[in-house]
Parts: sequence; structure tokens; C-alpha cells
Amino acid sequence: DQQVKQNSPSLSVQEGRISILNCDYTNSMFDYFLWYKKYPAEGPTFLISISSIKDKNEDGRFTVFLNKSAKHLSLHIVPSQPGDSAVYFCAASGRQTGANNLFFGTGTRLTVIP
Amino acid sequence: DAGVIQSPRHEVTEMGQEVTLRCKPISGHDYLFWYRQTMMRGLELLIYFNNNVPIDDSGMPEDRFSAKMPNASFSTLKIQPSEPRDSAVYFCASSPSTVGYTFGSGTRLTVV
Repeated sequence: DQQVKQNSPSLSVQEGRISILNCDYTNSMFDYFLWYKKYPAEGPTFLISISSIKDKNEDGRFTVFLNKSAKHLSLHIVPSQPGDSAVYFCAASGRQTGANNLFFGTGTRLTVIP
Repeated sequence: DAGVIQSPRHEVTEMGQEVTLRCKPISGHDYLFWYRQTMMRGLELLIYFNNNVPIDDSGMPEDRFSAKMPNASFSTLKIQPSEPRDSAVYFCASSPSTVGYTFGSGTRLTVV
């Protein structure tokens, strides 16, 4: 049973526009959320995270929004660049589920078109 | 720091054969994780260790799968006997005590 869901397997965006990647979770005990980025033939790399005590965290072109009541988070990339083309994984963890145990979604493949 | 090192990068084996995947975590990281990536389920946690001790192996699909961590710098994931449905990319990751995974580049396993 997937506790973290990414319902869009793929997304295409024009260079310079905003990319919005969505993620839903079912376990209300999750209190820490992360986004990972994965290029082909490489392992996922950490991108940005957010604690449940916040509703927004920004790092340069990347912003993560958390809506706890809806159990939903999103990653905004603006402006999108061709180098952002990758698979993005949403992940969640919680003290009750094991703080070091990350639950991942199935990923969304982002293609930024030059 | 060389990061998390996995070997081999690719493995092709025949059904029924034993397969051993290897991982060297980042020095000083107390946690080591084995994940499997498939299209249908994304990244699934198979097992994780803390200070070389297995903590949660509930994700290990069957008795055919086993993992060991004999010391702080080495871990293996073994599949015996292998089956075609085991074909996937297997990732090892390590982290310090707080959440902050570093993944290896993965081993792409193909069982024919």
C-alpha cells in the first residue's frame, strides 16, 4: 500500500515556465517531507525538504509547499531549465514510522523543453 | 569523499542463480538502507541497518532475499535463487543519525 503517492508519472514544461510537481500522502504521522531528484544511471539526490511545522520552504528556484490538512505537498520550480529534466521523488518520514525510514512515491518524470 | 559505492553497476544473471549486490557506505554514517526501484512501486525500502544491526527488514519480499552488514564499511544484499520478477534497480543509501540520505548509483539487475 503506497503511503506516498505521485499520481502524475510525467510532466512536460517549456523552459522558463513554472513546473509544479504534486505529492499526496496518507499517513498522518509523517512530519518530515523531502524531494529527491534522479538523473538516468545515477542515484537520487536530495533537493529540498520541509518540516510539518512549516507550510513553505524556499531554496533558490525551488519551493516546497505543504498542506497538512489535505495531506498534500508540491514542488515548484521557477523558472524551469532544461537541466531540471529528471525524475523527481517525493518522500516522507515520521518519528512514529521511524525517523530514518523514508517512504517514497513512484516518481514524476519532468521534461523541460528548450 | 567518494560517496556511497555500489557494485556491480549492472548484473545479468539466469533465473535460479545466486546474486550478490555490494555496498560501501559513507564513512561515519550510522544508517544503511537497501531500496529497490520499479516502475510500479517506485522506491521501496527493503531493509535498513543502524550501527551494523538490522532494524527493519519488513520490506524484504521473500526468504530468497537476505542482507548482511558485517562491519561499518560494507553491506551485501543477496538473492538466492533469483527470479525474473527480481529485475529492478537496487539502491543502497547511507545517512548520519538525522534524516539525510546519500544514495549510491544503483545496481541494475536483470534476471533472464
